[in-house]
Amino acid sequence: AQSVSQHNHHVILSEAASLELGCNYSYGGTVNLFWYVQYPGQHLQLLLKYFSGDPLVKGIKGFEAEFIKSKFSFNLRKPSVQWSDTAEYFCAVTGSARQLTFGSGTQLTVLP
Amino acid sequence: NAGVTQTPKFQVLKTGQSMTLQCAQDMNHEYMSWYRQDPGMGLRLIHYSVGAGITDQGEVPNGYNVSRSTTEDFPLRLLSAAPSQTSVYFCASTGYNYGYTFGSGTRLTVV
Repeated sequence: AQSVSQHNHHVILSEAASLELGCNYSYGGTVNLFWYVQYPGQHLQLLLKYFSGDPLVKGIKGFEAEFIKSKFSFNLRKPSVQWSDTAEYFCAVTGSARQLTFGSGTQLTVLP
Repeated sequence: NAGVTQTPKFQVLKTGQSMTLQCAQDMNHEYMSWYRQDPGMGLRLIHYSVGAGITDQGEVPNGYNVSRSTTEDFPLRLLSAAPSQTSVYFCASTGYNYGYTFGSGTRLTVV
């Protein structure tokens, strides 16, 4: 069975700071990787996903993530965060089946 | 608009009561699933279905039942609600392209 670890539980940044959120997964086979964002009181929205090909994936709102197979990692990055990026961020993985397994989430607070 | 519709949005139950959370999708997705979201624990899979008539347990199935009589609907039943089932519940569906669509959630409080 697959598992996902997000080591940063709460990150606080000032506007314009750079962001990197860690995500490590555990699975022995081919994986599909996702980052979702959840704004307060809302449902999950897909930021980006990786299935195969270029390990550097660009998503919406200026976010990107890099798949490093040797490190079992899929870290999320943004060069310059905005106050509106305040939200909870979830990394998720699927294996051969379609069950999404989520990490515990990282709460990002961006100070104006 | 195409998507996943969950009802109700909010619900308060007394311990021991039963209820059904509704989930419907109009995208002809084969795969549907239910998650619960608790602070600091992310989303955990309760039950899922890969097609009409086929359901299976996820990570936290105890206290919940599901059925899938049609492609569109995937209701989640709480047979005897407990305070530990206080949570936010999300339904999700996807086709073979792994394009998951989430419902807007049901916030359930059991007192």
